[in-house]
Amino acid sequence: SQQGEEDPQALSIQEGENATMNCSYKTSINNLQWYRQNSGRGLVHLILIRSNEREKHSGRLRVTLDTSKKSSSLLITASRAADTASYFCATDGEDTGRRALTFGSGTRLQVQP
Amino acid sequence: NAGVTQTPKFQVLKTGQSMTLQCAQDMNHEYMSWYRQDPGMGLRLIHYSVGAGITDQGEVPNGYNVSRSTTEDFPLRLLSAAPSQTSVYFCASSTDSNTQYFGPGTRLTVL
Repeated sequence: SQQGEEDPQALSIQEGENATMNCSYKTSINNLQWYRQNSGRGLVHLILIRSNEREKHSGRLRVTLDTSKKSSSLLITASRAADTASYFCATDGEDTGRRALTFGSGTRLQVQP
Repeated sequence: NAGVTQTPKFQVLKTGQSMTLQCAQDMNHEYMSWYRQDPGMGLRLIHYSVGAGITDQGEVPNGYNVSRSTTEDFPLRLLSAAPSQTSVYFCASSTDSNTQYFGPGTRLTVL
């Protein structure tokens, strides 16, 4: 079963708008990560937030983490057409001794130029 | 640095055939993993390794074998291919922080 579940499953916005994606997970974590996947390509790491952090920024990305609700959000500000991709959250699960990641089902983001 | 490399990029098998998907990394990472991604889905963990000679099962290990004889290589073997194994397979390596670096994937079709 998927540790992380994301919503929405798909999101379509106009260039310049902000995009927010949410992720929920089930077990305790050391960290939560967000990855991006362009169509037909491998995943690329975007940002990692540790369980003792509440918010983290990287360029146009802002990630929040609420461990009490077991949820995280990824905000992409001032979106561009090049941001069109699928975005996945991933957690270091207890089931793998925190040595591999469990991925959510992803949010497909379409940014219209 | 080539990062994580995977071969082949594409493969078509007939039911019952066996094959090995190759994965290599040149970053001296201890941790390596294999995932499969079905259409419209996230990644599911097949097997992982925390160092040479050490492997363990992930969420969907049935029908797959792995070995880790060196730090660099982590091949995935399909023992007797089935149509349900049609998928895209990704290999990844990681540092202690668990930030994973992914290969470009192998697209496998089993007829």
